[in-house]
Amino acid sequence: DAKTTQPTSMDCAEGRAANLPCNHSTISGNEYVYWYRQIHSQGPQYIIHGLKNNETNEMASLIITEDRKSSTLILPHATLRDTAVYYCIVRVVRDDKIIFGKGTRLHILP
Amino acid sequence: EAGVTQFPSHSVIEKGQTVTLRCDPISGHDNLYWYRRVMGKEIKFLLHFVKESKQDESGMPNNRFLAERTGGTYSTLKVQPAELEDSGVYFCASSSTPGRRKETQYFGPGTRLLVL
Repeated sequence: DAKTTQPTSMDCAEGRAANLPCNHSTISGNEYVYWYRQIHSQGPQYIIHGLKNNETNEMASLIITEDRKSSTLILPHATLRDTAVYYCIVRVVRDDKIIFGKGTRLHILP
Repeated sequence: EAGVTQFPSHSVIEKGQTVTLRCDPISGHDNLYWYRRVMGKEIKFLLHFVKESKQDESGMPNNRFLAERTGGTYSTLKVQPAELEDSGVYFCASSSTPGRRKETQYFGPGTRLLVL
């Protein structure tokens, strides 16, 4: 079973920052927080991952709380193409499989 | 660099028939994974190959499903005989080296299977 809790859906205005929360209160010390997204009719796409420090790449930023029990994925300037289901996953890097939950359906509004 | 490719993109078959799905991973990726999403459910892991060996097949639903990866390159997933509940989207993913901090799985576009 997925070890994360995410809101079912969220709306965000185009051009604004989209902040997607995730709770992972039972995360272990060796588990990373991963984010993937699935745009309609495509396969899941890796976005970002981190252990305890905040991370940033060309797609997004990941903010992890100090106690590591929750995190926020930030899409700084959301576009219509960011409409997708976003999955927050906790995972030991050496694990082979990804366990997907229900994710958050993000709607970017024009 | 080409991504993960899957063939066919769609397949419609009748119950009892056989279907074979193919996945071509990113060149050089030793790890190949199969996942599926059935209607209304979450994406579920099926199995994992390391080169031509099955590392983990704990997610395979039953013995009607047979996955192969001869030669450690492309993989096939055969469903024989197909049942109605097998309908869904089958995803393939590949990765280079698990256990490394930068490791991530790259997914293909999926094969949409409909069993009538």
